[in-house]
Amino acid sequence: DTGVSQNPRHKITKRGQNVTFRCDPISEHNRLYWYRQTLGQGPEFLTYFQNEAQLEKSRLLSDRFSAERPKGSFSTLEIQRTEQGDSAMYLCASRPLAGGQDEQFFGPGTRLTVL
Amino acid sequence: QQQVKQSPQSLIVQKGGISIINCAYENTAFDYFPWYQQFPGKGPALLIAIRPDVSEKKEGRFTISFNKSAKQFSLHIMDSQPGDSATYFCAAFIIQGAQKLVFGQGTRLTINP
Repeated sequence: DTGVSQNPRHKITKRGQNVTFRCDPISEHNRLYWYRQTLGQGPEFLTYFQNEAQLEKSRLLSDRFSAERPKGSFSTLEIQRTEQGDSAMYLCASRPLAGGQDEQFFGPGTRLTVL
Repeated sequence: QQQVKQSPQSLIVQKGGISIINCAYENTAFDYFPWYQQFPGKGPALLIAIRPDVSEKKEGRFTISFNKSAKQFSLHIMDSQPGDSATYFCAAFIIQGAQKLVFGQGTRLTINP
């Protein structure tokens, strides 16, 4: 499998519960991104990893959100105490370190519904 | 704060026609402008991209036109086909640093057979 994979593809949860999503980037892609896409909008940047280091976080990433990439391979995004406003598609993308304007390859996303 | 504005929100074109989607940006630090195509249930996929030192780039039926002074760029799809029906996003980023993408709001394109 050569693409970015994300699990689960869909998650329905009740308000106040914690959820965790996983992203497996393309092998040897050092850079990993998380974006959030709400209905009818373009994706919005959440956070960026280079290897295991989280180098940038958006102001959208409140203290209820945490992302990790412990060994510089897969990444997890956790949302604590979910709110209805967290309902969205969470997209992961990866790209290689080398090169100037390499394409970001996106996964299929995890669709979160908070009831 | 919307740094990249995209129009129209939706577009219906007859098969064989030309589809045109427009974007405008505010941040003059942006120096790379990709277009992404997204099908339902899939993540966005890169379609074509341009740097601001080039006024036009063509790849097959897809052309980007870029106007640096106006801070505008557009996507033209020639000989539009039903398989082109998808949501299209313009985007921008700064090459130095994280290269985080800033997306427009998207255009839902429908090509009628």
